[in-house]
Amino acid sequence: DVKVTQSSRYLVKRTGEKVFLECVQDMDHENMFWYRQDPGLGLRLIYFSYDVKMKEKGDIPEGYSVSREKKERFSLILESASTNQTSMYLCASRTQGAPETQYFGPGTRLLVL
Amino acid sequence: SQQGEEDPQALSIQEGENATMNCSYKTSINNLQWYRQNSGRGLVHLILIRSNEREKHSGRLRVTLDTSKKSSSLLITASRAADTASYFCATDAGNTGKLIFGQGTTLQVKP
Repeated sequence: DVKVTQSSRYLVKRTGEKVFLECVQDMDHENMFWYRQDPGLGLRLIYFSYDVKMKEKGDIPEGYSVSREKKERFSLILESASTNQTSMYLCASRTQGAPETQYFGPGTRLLVL
Repeated sequence: SQQGEEDPQALSIQEGENATMNCSYKTSINNLQWYRQNSGRGLVHLILIRSNEREKHSGRLRVTLDTSKKSSSLLITASRAADTASYFCATDAGNTGKLIFGQGTTLQVKP
């Protein structure tokens, strides 16, 4: 079974702090994704990565950056956390090509005070 | 941008009844996927239907796709309390691997 893990289930940070959210997958997937989920807005794509050291902006990249130094790990960085970044963050991975299924981690609920 | 729009936003039924959720989208797609999310958890893939397919079954799930109307429906038959969750449709429109998710339907199945 594919396993996608996220470093924290719950995180509380202060405004202005630098925040790292880590995601690790164990199936050698090429593609990895970071989403945020907010009530009434569904899932919105922040960044994604096709392969190591490659990254592409999603729909809402402002205030975020990412790092993919190893194939299994995709990090989301909030350079200076703000209260409007309080949200549920979901990581996902998939293989290049078929099947097109994305496998999700359990999510990190981030609260920025 | 939100491609998939789901209807209804919330649905409450009794155990044993069928639940139907609808999804509409705006652009041409390669495939459409349905995911389930239990409260506070990650999403789990349920079923994928390709643009050249019209209907697909998986256990108690039945998915239909009408590309002329740009819509899909998910039917859960003989629902159980354990089916209580949020259900999302997601469209795959290109070769990027990106999915665009709808806002979801929250299903409550009362025992």
